[in-house]
Amino acid sequence: GAVVSQHPSWVICKSGTSVKIECRSLDFQATTMFWYRQFPKQSLMLMATSNEGSKATYEQGVEKDKFLINHASLTLSTLTVTSAHPEDSSFYICSARDGGRDSNQPQHFGDGTRLSIL
Amino acid sequence: AQTVTQSQPEMSVQEAETVTLSCTYDTSESDYYLFWYKQPPSRQMILVIRQEAYKQQNATENRFSVNFQKAAKSFSLKISDSQLGDAAMYFCAYKKTTPLVFGKGTRLSVIA
Repeated sequence: GAVVSQHPSWVICKSGTSVKIECRSLDFQATTMFWYRQFPKQSLMLMATSNEGSKATYEQGVEKDKFLINHASLTLSTLTVTSAHPEDSSFYICSARDGGRDSNQPQHFGDGTRLSIL
Repeated sequence: AQTVTQSQPEMSVQEAETVTLSCTYDTSESDYYLFWYKQPPSRQMILVIRQEAYKQQNATENRFSVNFQKAAKSFSLKISDSQLGDAAMYFCAYKKTTPLVFGKGTRLSVIA
C-alpha cells in the first residue's frame, strides 16, 4: 500500500520552457504533499508544503513564482518549473501523506524526476 | 528549528561484516519520530527503519537495528551481515508534525 507515482521520471528541455511534474497518490488520500529538491551528492531540501485546496507554503529562499505548485485534488499535486534555466537542473522528489498539518502519518515518496535544462 | 547531523560523509564495510552509521539531532520536543532512509543509485527513497521517541525499545527490521539514546539525542543505525545491495546513501530523518527533516547523508560502500 501507500504508493506515490511521480511523472515524468526524466525530462530534458531547452532553457526558457516550462516543465510540469506530476505527483499522484494511488491508494490513499494525500491531504498534504511535499516537494523536495536534491542536488548531486547532497541531501533532500524541502521546497514547499501543499495542502489540498489551499496555497502552498514555500520554504525560505524558494521562488514561488518560479516553482508553481498546485494541489487541486486529494490525489494529485503538480510542480511547474516556469521559464526553466540550467541552474534549475536538479532531482525533484515529491512526498505525500494522509492527514492535515498536525498529522503524524508517515510520508511516502515518489521515485523522483531528473530535470535537465539545456 | 530541528536539525539532524550525520557526521560520517562516507563509510565502508566488508561484505558480511557489521557497520554502524551515526546520527544526532536537536529538538525541544519530547514526542517525535526518527527514520533511516536508504537511497540507492536509482535515487528512490526507501524507508529502512522507524523509531517512535516514546518507545524505549530499539526498533529492528531483519538485519537493520537502531541504537536510540533519547537523552543524548542519538539515533545510530546498525547493519549486520552487510550485503552488496546495502551500498547506498543513508539519510537520517526527524519528524514530529512538520515535514521530514533530513541529515546530509552517509554514503555506504560495501566491499566484496
